[in-house]
Amino acid sequence: KQEVTQIPAALSVPEGENLVLNCSFTDSAIYNLQWFRQDPGKGLTSLLLIQSSQREQTSGRLNASLDKSSGRSTLYIAASQPGDSATYLCAVESGNTPLVFGKGTRLSVIA
Amino acid sequence: KAGVTQTPRYLIKTRGQQVTLSCSPISGHRSVSWYQQTPGQGLQFLFEYFSETQRNKGNFPGRFSGRQFSNSRSEMNVSTLELGDSALYLCASSWTSGSGTGELFFGEGSRLTVL
Repeated sequence: KQEVTQIPAALSVPEGENLVLNCSFTDSAIYNLQWFRQDPGKGLTSLLLIQSSQREQTSGRLNASLDKSSGRSTLYIAASQPGDSATYLCAVESGNTPLVFGKGTRLSVIA
Repeated sequence: KAGVTQTPRYLIKTRGQQVTLSCSPISGHRSVSWYQQTPGQGLQFLFEYFSETQRNKGNFPGRFSGRQFSNSRSEMNVSTLELGDSALYLCASSWTSGSGTGELFFGEGSRLTVL
């Protein structure tokens, strides 16, 4: 059974800092891994989707990497801004099962 | 291009009542999934529909049911509501289903409070 873990559960950084969010999964036989952002009381916004054959994806200040063999993915946020404050979730699709989500990392960027 | 639309956004019910939530996927998307999100359990999968057929079902009691219409719109129903059903119910759509569904797009959710 696939399990997804995100560490840390919460993170507070000063504006302008570069930061890394971590996601680990137990079953490396995945189709893809997706990073989402969720603002309080809102739905999820898709940030990046990495297919199993890819090593990384980039969108603006965001870069996500995938290492299937070690069961890990990282989301790198460059030059963080207060508007980046949100909960970041990773989710893994594997087998014929639906997405399995981590519990998320709650990020606060302090101005 | 319109996103995933969920209605109603907020609703309050009492124990024992039933509720129906609606989800309209992105135009052209044929797969609709439902998730329940609570502070303690996080996001938990309820069910997935593709071309009006239920493809997957999560570990929820039979009080939770859903369906999908020919235009891909989906509804989920919860009968005999319990206090523990209070949650944010999220709907997501994608182009296809299974074996690497691809990017999933979520709606804003329906916030259900059971009193």
